[in-house]
Amino acid sequence: AQKITQTQPGMFVQEKEAVTLDCTYDTSDPSYGLFWYKQPSSGEMIFLIYQGSYDQQNATEGRYSLNFQKARKSANLVISASQLGDSAMYFCAMREGRGDDKIIFGKGTRLHILP
Amino acid sequence: DAGVTQSPTHLIKTRGQHVTLRCSPISGHKSVSWYQQVLGQGPQFIFQYYEKEERGRGNFPDRFSARQFPNYSSELNVNALLLGDSALYLCASSLGLASLIEETQYFGPGTRLLVL
Repeated sequence: AQKITQTQPGMFVQEKEAVTLDCTYDTSDPSYGLFWYKQPSSGEMIFLIYQGSYDQQNATEGRYSLNFQKARKSANLVISASQLGDSAMYFCAMREGRGDDKIIFGKGTRLHILP
Repeated sequence: DAGVTQSPTHLIKTRGQHVTLRCSPISGHKSVSWYQQVLGQGPQFIFQYYEKEERGRGNFPDRFSARQFPNYSSELNVNALLLGDSALYLCASSLGLASLIEETQYFGPGTRLLVL
């Protein structure tokens, strides 16, 4: 079974609109962390935001926020006021609290911002 | 401060050859992880090294090996290359603290390997 599911292979959004990228996860570990990374065409993975399983509040980092719904095992990324430079692949990822450092990635969502 | 660096940026090899990829972590980071990203997929975990010891290994054949040096830089070696090894190989570094859950991994630009 997939640990991280991103159901939107691609999205087109008008510039300045808000966009939500979906992510669901599967784990039986009570302790885990959720990450979102951005990957431009250059290939480098850029860290955006982190949410811990025990965090009571949704994480925010500038224009990025994470809509964490623990009971639904959902960790959607919200980008407010999208910009042309937001066009990229976006990956949701998880680290489980088993002691190794492995991060499990989803298949990604390609976001296109339209002028 | 310099980020994670990787070399070479691009590489073309033929089947059966071997390849060595190199990674230098962010200064002060003691943990290095390697990921393989084939076209259209998310990165897949290969190895993690901390203080020169292997801390984690993904589901990859023994043709893949790695090591970490005293300066915390790392090499990924792949022997007997197959066409399916063509991918972007990403290196990530982190502090390697005991509380792993929230520790962010910072990625380098990757090495694009093409096997013909």
